[in-house]
Amino acid sequence: GQQLNQSPQSMFIQEGEDVSMNCTSSSIFNTWLWYKQDPGEGPVLLIALYKAGELTSNGRLTAQFGITRKDSFLNISASIPSDVGIYFCAGQEGMDSSYKLIFGSGTRLLVRP
Amino acid sequence: EAGVAQSPRYKIIEKRQSVAFWCNPISGHATLYWYQQILGQGPKLLIQFQNNGVVDDSQLPKDRFSAERLKGVDSTLKIQPAKLEDSAVYLCASLKRENTEAFFGQGTRLTVV
Repeated sequence: GQQLNQSPQSMFIQEGEDVSMNCTSSSIFNTWLWYKQDPGEGPVLLIALYKAGELTSNGRLTAQFGITRKDSFLNISASIPSDVGIYFCAGQEGMDSSYKLIFGSGTRLLVRP
Repeated sequence: EAGVAQSPRYKIIEKRQSVAFWCNPISGHATLYWYQQILGQGPKLLIQFQNNGVVDDSQLPKDRFSAERLKGVDSTLKIQPAKLEDSAVYLCASLKRENTEAFFGQGTRLTVV
């Protein structure tokens, strides 16, 4: 089946540093979504991207929908301790009412105060 | 607007027992997904409904897993009989229509002993 390659697998950074993570796919997606998951909770949507080349910000978060529609990245600027968690990318394809949502394997972020 | 509701939050059962999970999606959301998330991995799609019809169940282990979405609203996911490897978090998500955001419930953490 379809796979999303998400990297890096984990990051351990100093508070205040910027973070970048990305996802690549072998298939084209219509939508890219970025989620954050805290322990014991469901994923929470951070940013949604709908058009190739689209660049969207949400506070300190910035994400882009790749031109080829096969990749996306998420940047977090000036990281803070509450940014700790697991970040997932998800790609959505929509054909014949099948809006399948496929997830990457996650990037675990740890922030050192 | 109320979010996606799931119950129970936690369940511990012995192998070979049966278990059922319930999901109430966001009102008006036609698409409903069930995902299995094993510790340390990204969510894996089990089944996708569009209203009360199954769109994709290619990853559902049909010999032991079943799901239904009567009347196109609430959904239940059942496992019978459970195996040790079914220990995971079961997440439900809903989507209003194509190219919109998918929202997740808090999940049900299943432990099979």
